[in-house]
Amino acid sequence: EVELVQSGAEVKKPGESLKISCKVSGYSFTNHWIGWVRQMPGKGLEWMGIIYPRDSDTRYSPSFQGQVTISADKSISTAYLQWSSLKASDTAMYYCVRHATVVTPDYWGQGTLVTVSS
Amino acid sequence: QSVLTQPPSVSGAPGQRVTISCTGSSSNIGAGYDVHWYQQLPGTAPKLLIYGNINRPSGVPDRFSGSKSDTSASLAITGLQAEDEADYYCQSYDNSLRGHVVFGGGTKLTVL
Repeated sequence: EVELVQSGAEVKKPGESLKISCKVSGYSFTNHWIGWVRQMPGKGLEWMGIIYPRDSDTRYSPSFQGQVTISADKSISTAYLQWSSLKASDTAMYYCVRHATVVTPDYWGQGTLVTVSS
Repeated sequence: QSVLTQPPSVSGAPGQRVTISCTGSSSNIGAGYDVHWYQQLPGTAPKLLIYGNINRPSGVPDRFSGSKSDTSASLAITGLQAEDEADYYCQSYDNSLRGHVVFGGGTKLTVL
């Protein structure tokens, strides 16, 4: 059974850094693209970017390029999303998603709520 | 504004049929890229409902069906049930701006 288990909720201050994780099981981590989707409070889904763990090929949505970093550790089947300097506008639920193909998310993690507030 | 346009809300009584539209352009749906649909029940993560325009993953009832034509797609739900009350999102790929996955703005389905 495919499972994506994300790290727990975070409360941070503006300017702080953060790295959230997504550990997968039930399939070969290196055979599928894995990405991240943002959902701001009461809003819709926004695709952020994806990484191919086998060779770390990474692609970002233009809206998120330079704002976040997506990475992966093949040895522990885990993908990451990180910020170097959080803003209040980064407050959102973040979902990791496995892609069946490079353009099709299929399995979703349970979400990580990130709250940025002074 | 989302690249794919959905109505903000639709509603229907139990047992009725509702449709949700997803309108794109020549750089996404009109370019031949597949459309996929996700259901997000309140307080939960989205779930894949329809993939490749018309296909249902295992476990999705056949009350849900998808279609695609030209630059738009539709999700139809027949025999509406209370448990179908959720947000629904369409998704495709856009080949402009170096290309990326795009979502519709989402449609809130209310079962009356």
